[in-house]
Amino acid sequence: GAGVSQTPSNKVTEKGKYVELRCDPISGHTALYWYRQSLGQGPEFLIYFQGTGAADDSGLPNDRFFAVRPEGSVSTLKIQRTERGDSAVYLCASSAGQGSYNEQFFGPGTRLTVL
Amino acid sequence: QQPVQSPQAVILREGEDAVINCSSSKALYSVHWYRQKHGEAPVFLMILLKGGEQKGHDKISASFNEKKQQSSLYLTASQLSYSGTYFCGTERKGYSTLTFGKGTMLLVSP
Repeated sequence: GAGVSQTPSNKVTEKGKYVELRCDPISGHTALYWYRQSLGQGPEFLIYFQGTGAADDSGLPNDRFFAVRPEGSVSTLKIQRTERGDSAVYLCASSAGQGSYNEQFFGPGTRLTVL
Repeated sequence: QQPVQSPQAVILREGEDAVINCSSSKALYSVHWYRQKHGEAPVFLMILLKGGEQKGHDKISASFNEKKQQSSLYLTASQLSYSGTYFCGTERKGYSTLTFGKGTMLLVSP
């Protein structure tokens, strides 16, 4: 079956611009996670959705970052007024349920470059 | 709160064994292990839930000592396909999200 998909695979933007990154989880997965991964680092948690609601957004670095999941499936991560420090690979993962008992399936990521 | 992984990198010849450690300063509820190859998404290996639990599949196994807040990943008779970066993700009690370590890079050569 289809795995987690993310679009675009690469995004180059200029400092100060707005970007949207899309994640299409595995069908039926209720939990969806966004991570950011910089070179040589592990995935850094940003936000976690259970269904349509953000169950934990404690990882969002500041109010320029926002994510939605209006119908409990596809999610969009939105970054306003992008900065060069936002450059990273943004990973999305989904799982059949929350936390301990459920493995997370990762998408291929979106590589964001802010010039 | 980020778990500490050691070593940072390992170079092995095919057939050799390796151990990767993951430790946390916080009480843990579970530990998840993933492997990521260059330019690819992390791939799930296993979840350890209980103190003292050990799990394994193929020649990769792991243990979790809840009291010591540590987990170890054991790779025996390593294969070329084991090359990649291994991450532990720790779940703290009361939370439903994972915090990943910086990773351990494993290179298996012929």
